Amino acid sequence: DTAVSQTPKYLVTQMGNDKSIKCEQNLGHDTMYWYKQDSKKFLKIMFSYNNKELIINETVPNRFSPKSPDKAHLNLHINSLELGDSAVYFCASRAGSRNYNEQFFGPGTRLTVL
Amino acid sequence: GEDVEQSLFLSVREGDSSVINCTYTDSSSTYLYWYKQEPGAGLQLLTYIFSNMDMKQDQRLTVLLNKKDKHLSLRIADTQTGDSAIYFCAEYPYTGGFKTIFGAGTRLFVKA
Repeated sequence: DTAVSQTPKYLVTQMGNDKSIKCEQNLGHDTMYWYKQDSKKFLKIMFSYNNKELIINETVPNRFSPKSPDKAHLNLHINSLELGDSAVYFCASRAGSRNYNEQFFGPGTRLTVL
Repeated sequence: GEDVEQSLFLSVREGDSSVINCTYTDSSSTYLYWYKQEPGAGLQLLTYIFSNMDMKQDQRLTVLLNKKDKHLSLRIADTQTGDSAIYFCAEYPYTGGFKTIFGAGTRLFVKA
């Protein structure tokens, strides 16, 4: 029943490791997003895919690489993790680019880099 | 450029009304949203308004839009402890594109 799901919910890892976060939506939406929320709760967009095509690519270190194998999935791979990568990462989806279309957010993945 | 600003904190007593304010900069037609984030959860859409409207009411929630000043407010009537959360103001241009601009969020504390 979950509209936007993310795995894992918690991720604790050492500096220098490579990790992936997965996101799936069962809403049939065309557009998916990754956001980073820091400890002050500021929400920053990182990437967006529309129909598997990268359409938003904000100023993010190239250690972060999104991958969209199909419209329903958007994964985030992070290489050489750093302390500053610790945050909550939210996946979201939206039906299209026009009108009021609500963004549906996943529950978040709390990443802690030690 | 596009920007959305909000005050960071608001504290009210249970039963009082809460008013959360936001200003935005996009002068084109735009959708304006209020999202709620409870602890440990993702954001959920509370309500939205299009920039050609002045007001929208939905049960305890009232959204007021002053287009001239680009000022948006969310009023929560009879605030309850369960309303304690972070409230994000956001805008999304009607012309399309895919990027929603979020404010920094207002932390609402409701005292019993």
